[in-house]
Amino acid sequence: DSGVTQTPKHLITATGQRVTLRCSPRSGDLSVYWYQQSLDQGLQFLIQYYNGEERAKGNILERFSAQQFPDLHSELNLSSLELGDSALYFCASSVALAGGPSDTQYFGPGTRLTVL
Amino acid sequence: GDSVTQMEGPVTLSEEAFLTINCTYTATGYPSLFWYVQYPGEGLQLLLKATKADDKGSNKGFEATYRKETTSFHLEKGSVQVSDSAVYFCALSEAGNQFYFGTGTSLTVIP
Repeated sequence: DSGVTQTPKHLITATGQRVTLRCSPRSGDLSVYWYQQSLDQGLQFLIQYYNGEERAKGNILERFSAQQFPDLHSELNLSSLELGDSALYFCASSVALAGGPSDTQYFGPGTRLTVL
Repeated sequence: GDSVTQMEGPVTLSEEAFLTINCTYTATGYPSLFWYVQYPGEGLQLLLKATKADDKGSNKGFEATYRKETTSFHLEKGSVQVSDSAVYFCALSEAGNQFYFGTGTSLTVIP
């Protein structure tokens, strides 16, 4: 158990809909990262927050957005869903920003999103 | 920019065989290097890490040495077990930067 929790575990929805994925980082971790894992694209970095502020953006679509709240939990919002958005979405957390001595990322179990 | 290139799979080995999964990286500074493992149906778990040149990370019989001269961080295990079947990801992080993951290498160990 990494200490990172994600809800829900599974999500099935229809095209055009909007969903929210939730992540609670490990106690004490300030950084939260979101990743998308699909069979054809591998593990894709989406976005990173550090102590409530956006710090890095990867291959995140404009239809997707995220935020980190004062209690450090994070939400990833996916809207106008398309079939191709079906994937595993992972959240990870770390104590600090990348590159420091404590920058190991700890991954949650993921949310499996299926868009029908 | 920073990137990680790892050996494409899938890799299939017999139990007790020697494992090498190659990983090379491109970075502008002095990154930390990681191997993560993903067992079926689970999230990624840190397997080992190294934070500077010539460091050797090790865990559960796996080892990887940070080679700055060859920009490599190859994963090795002397004798694999069926329970090692998983997907292995090489990754790097650099100060103030995001993490970069390789595409993953699927390993299947057959009895």
